[in-house]
Amino acid sequence: QQQVKQSPQSLIVQKGGISIINCAYENTAFDYFPWYQQFPGKGPALLIAIRPDVSEKKEGRFTISFNKSAKQFSLHIMDSQPGDSATYFCAASASNNDMRFGAGTRLTVKP
Amino acid sequence: KAGVTQTPRYLIKTRGQQVTLSCSPISGHRSVSWYQQTPGQGLQFLFEYFSETQRNKGNFPGRFSGRQFSNSRSEMNVSTLELGDSALYLCASSLQQPTYGYTFGSGTRLTVV
Repeated sequence: QQQVKQSPQSLIVQKGGISIINCAYENTAFDYFPWYQQFPGKGPALLIAIRPDVSEKKEGRFTISFNKSAKQFSLHIMDSQPGDSATYFCAASASNNDMRFGAGTRLTVKP
Repeated sequence: KAGVTQTPRYLIKTRGQQVTLSCSPISGHRSVSWYQQTPGQGLQFLFEYFSETQRNKGNFPGRFSGRQFSNSRSEMNVSTLELGDSALYLCASSLQQPTYGYTFGSGTRLTVV
């Protein structure tokens, strides 16, 4: 079922550093690429999303970079904070279809 | 505005039993999707309902089924439970289709013993 490949599986970053999580997809029909953040005991929450007509989207410390030709997109977390420690999922969906998720990246930001 | 509500939060069942999980979407949301989350497999898509019709289905055995009511509330049922069904079951709702963005509930933690 996995149509979206996510790496790395886990990531440890020092406070103030940059966290980078990468995803690759195969289905060229995908036209919506969100990132979700999940804390223990909670469901995933939408963090930021991008459509393929733009190459970058920034919201606060979070940036999505999108490379349509390579079928890759990534999440950059600038000035990472201990409160950012969570599991991050990339996802992709096509119009009127279900959303497919990456396997997740467990991010730990050390103080 | 109330979020997506899933009940119960925790459930312990015995192998061979069946279970029904409930999901109340955000008011006005007509699409409800279900996912199974396990440490090894991540988020696996089960099915999506829209206006009481199953619109999409993932790759799960027929023991997993669902339905949606006219008020958009949804239930999923798992029959003949197996140990491997132990997981967090997440429900997500959206206005019309996933490309509008999902809102997830906190999930139902099912343990099969």
